[in-house]
Amino acid sequence: DAKTTQPPSMDCAEGRAANLPCNHSTISGNEYVYWYRQIHSQGPQYIIHGLKNNETNEMASLIITEDRKSSTLILPHATLRDTAVYYCIVRPNTGNQFYFGTGTSLTVIP
Amino acid sequence: GAVVSQHPSRVICKSGTSVKIECRSLDFQATTMFWYRQFPKQSLMLMATSNEGSKATYEQGVEKDKFLINHASLTLSTLTVTSAHPEDSSFYICSGRTGRSGEQYFGPGTRLTVT
Repeated sequence: DAKTTQPPSMDCAEGRAANLPCNHSTISGNEYVYWYRQIHSQGPQYIIHGLKNNETNEMASLIITEDRKSSTLILPHATLRDTAVYYCIVRPNTGNQFYFGTGTSLTVIP
Repeated sequence: GAVVSQHPSRVICKSGTSVKIECRSLDFQATTMFWYRQFPKQSLMLMATSNEGSKATYEQGVEKDKFLINHASLTLSTLTVTSAHPEDSSFYICSGRTGRSGEQYFGPGTRLTVT
């Protein structure tokens, strides 16, 4: 069962930062926050994950609030190719299953 | 990241026939593989989890006799949709996970159309 809440859709201007929020108020102490995205008719692509510290990689940054009840995925300079559905998932790092919620459909506008 | 392939990418079959979908981890050993189904404009729904050499564990509501899963090696899992019906038409996606990290790596998906 999905344990996250995300806005159904967002727009972002090309070149600007895209900030995608996720609520996970029932997250447990051993659960990580994962972000994936799915471009139309493709398999999901891993973006980033974290436990409690903020994380950054070549694709994005993940900001997790101190109480860990919410997080924000930041795409620093959105491009048209970032148009996709973005999924926030919580899961123990040694656990098995990912249960996908409804995600946020991000549209990057020229 | 690690690469997962699926074959075929799309398949059309007649109602009542069976169709097999292959999922391969190309550059890592997937101790666990997962199968998902996605209907248009909906999210991914987990169907089953399989560990290499073991029987698959199916999610509630998924018929194990209809969706046969085999995970005979660390790089290959197959999903066979038996006696397919038009309502089985969907996008089927597999993923693999190694034992050393939490990420799952997803295949590109297989579009099944049952006529």
